[in-house]
Amino acid sequence: GAGVSQSPSNKVTEKGKDVELRCDPISGHTALYWYRQSLGQGLEFLIYFQGNSAPDKSGLPSDRFSAERTGGSVSTLTIQRTQQEDSAVYLCASSTQASGGIYEQYFGPGTRLTVT
Amino acid sequence: AQSVSQHNHHVILSEAASLELGCNYSYGGTVNLFWYVQYPGQHLQLLLKYFSGDPLVKGIKGFEAEFIKSKFSFNLRKPSVQWSDTAEYFCAVNAGTDKLIFGTGTRLQVFP
Repeated sequence: GAGVSQSPSNKVTEKGKDVELRCDPISGHTALYWYRQSLGQGLEFLIYFQGNSAPDKSGLPSDRFSAERTGGSVSTLTIQRTQQEDSAVYLCASSTQASGGIYEQYFGPGTRLTVT
Repeated sequence: AQSVSQHNHHVILSEAASLELGCNYSYGGTVNLFWYVQYPGQHLQLLLKYFSGDPLVKGIKGFEAEFIKSKFSFNLRKPSVQWSDTAEYFCAVNAGTDKLIFGTGTRLQVFP
């Protein structure tokens, strides 16, 4: 079946501009996660959504970052006033549910963001 | 705060050599442990996972990992690597929350 999809695959933007990154989770998955993969930094948790519960935003690095999930499916990660340090690969993952972390997270291909 | 350490940043092996990649985590309670692999140009995918029970877990493609609670470790092993195992390997832990905490990754290069 279809996996997690993300768009765009690559995004180059100028410093100070806003960007929106999109994630389509696997159909039926109620939990959705955003991570950031920076060179030499591994993967860093940003935010996750589970059903209708309030999202866990504890990993967002600044108030320039926000995310929403509409209708319990598609999610958009928005970065306002981008900075060069925001350059990274942004990964989305989904799982059947989030309950003590015992459900496998399936990852999308990522969006490579470059801020010039 | 929870953290995961992968001490081997870059490993180079010849085919048929044995592999062991180290992973240590910091958390005193119950943990779920994972190894993910990212082949060149592909998505992250799950290699194996430990939730409970037998501390020696077997994953895909002949990989296995052993959970040693007293050492806070979850090392990944494979007795004989192949060129197709060239990839980046990430250890991750989940402890009391639903988010994964990842290590910085180990880049494995296998030469024929």
